Amino acid sequence: TQLLEQSPQFLSIQEGENLTVYCNSSSVFSSLQWYRQEPGEGPVLLVTVVTGGEVKKLKRLTFQFGDARKDSSLHITAAQPGDTGLYLCAGAVGSWGKLQFGAGTQVVVTP
Amino acid sequence: SAVISQKPSRDICQRGTSLTIQCQVDSQVTMMFWYRQQPGQSLTLIATANQGSEATYESGFVIDKFPISRPNLTFSTLTVSNMSPEDSSIYLCSGWDNGHYGYTFGSGTRLTVV
Repeated sequence: TQLLEQSPQFLSIQEGENLTVYCNSSSVFSSLQWYRQEPGEGPVLLVTVVTGGEVKKLKRLTFQFGDARKDSSLHITAAQPGDTGLYLCAGAVGSWGKLQFGAGTQVVVTP
Repeated sequence: SAVISQKPSRDICQRGTSLTIQCQVDSQVTMMFWYRQQPGQSLTLIATANQGSEATYESGFVIDKFPISRPNLTFSTLTVSNMSPEDSSIYLCSGWDNGHYGYTFGSGTRLTVV
């Protein structure tokens, strides 16, 4: 059973455009993490959000954690080709226990 | 942040044989996790490996098929036994990284069974 619904599944945009990826669940998570994965590599952690309502910014990336700690979003401003990759959200079950992953969003940014 | 070295990076194996995948972490991690992933898709947890105890397997995965070793806090292996083409996938290990406040992954092993 997929606890985390991630949308959209695929996103193709032009360089300079903005994009948002959503991650929703009916379950409450102790924390939620976002990863980016490129072909032939393992997922790389982008951010961990822990507090309901939390907003974190990493350069052009903005992450939000819902007040109820059931949903999250990733917003990229002025996307660049280097942002291309598979974006995965993952919710931690319990205190730093195993992760439940969303289905992933494949993002393609063309020059 | 912690670095996990995973090997082999890829292999092509005959059905009925076994392959052991190794993960070496450059720092101590309490729990390590083994995942399976189809290219471009999400990760499915196979098992959680703790030092000094048997691994805990997720539904659909059994120890006879995927035996795991965890001899110390920096090393773990996953064996894919009696392989069939259905086992063709990417296998990834992961560990909690205190310094990074998140999970660090190995670069994956792309397994093809013919």
